[in-house]
Amino acid sequence: SQQGEEDPQALSIQEGENATMNCSYKTSINNLQWYRQNSGRGLVHLILIRSNEREKHSGRLRVTLDTSKKSSSLLITASRAADTASYFCAFYGGATNKLIFGTGTLLAVQP
Amino acid sequence: ETGVTQSPTHLIKTRGQQVTLRCSSQSGHNTVSWYQQALGQGPQFIFQYYREEENGRGNFPPRFSGLQFPNYSSELNVNALELDDSALYLCASSPEQGAAGELFFGEGSRLTVL
Repeated sequence: SQQGEEDPQALSIQEGENATMNCSYKTSINNLQWYRQNSGRGLVHLILIRSNEREKHSGRLRVTLDTSKKSSSLLITASRAADTASYFCAFYGGATNKLIFGTGTLLAVQP
Repeated sequence: ETGVTQSPTHLIKTRGQQVTLRCSSQSGHNTVSWYQQALGQGPQFIFQYYREEENGRGNFPPRFSGLQFPNYSSELNVNALELDDSALYLCASSPEQGAAGELFFGEGSRLTVL
């Protein structure tokens, strides 16, 4: 399957702690993206990292990409209860135009 | 700037019926992609439309079909509904086909098949 795999499947932390979620994929990519989804709602784009980049920051988000290991991680620092959501990595597989999503990590931030 | 809008937000159908879901793309976007998301899973690519033509399809049977109109809005049609078609259907638009950029999603249409 081309689908990305994410771990952990679920993560529960306290407010103020950092949350790290990982994504692995099997194909060559142009870029890797992370999206957030509040329960049963649409997905919101968070950050995009290109294949020639190793690390990118946006506010409290830090994304890393290791193309040799075909993996990426998303770090959310100083988490808040409002960060509670599902997080998905996504990438364009090979020469196709379809954005492929991972299996997702469900993050619960306890106040 | 108007975002992606989908209708209806919720609907209930019975097995064997047909359903049409609608999507208005974000202003200035000419490419629309449709995804199916079963409960607890990641979105699965159904197909993409660019300038009124299907431009890529995922592993879905022919009873899943679509249209894109000159104003770039789109419809997803599903015939002969099955119980497993129960899911959140997401529409996403993007400004350029093949640009490998971010997608802009609507809030989805939740379909329940009884």
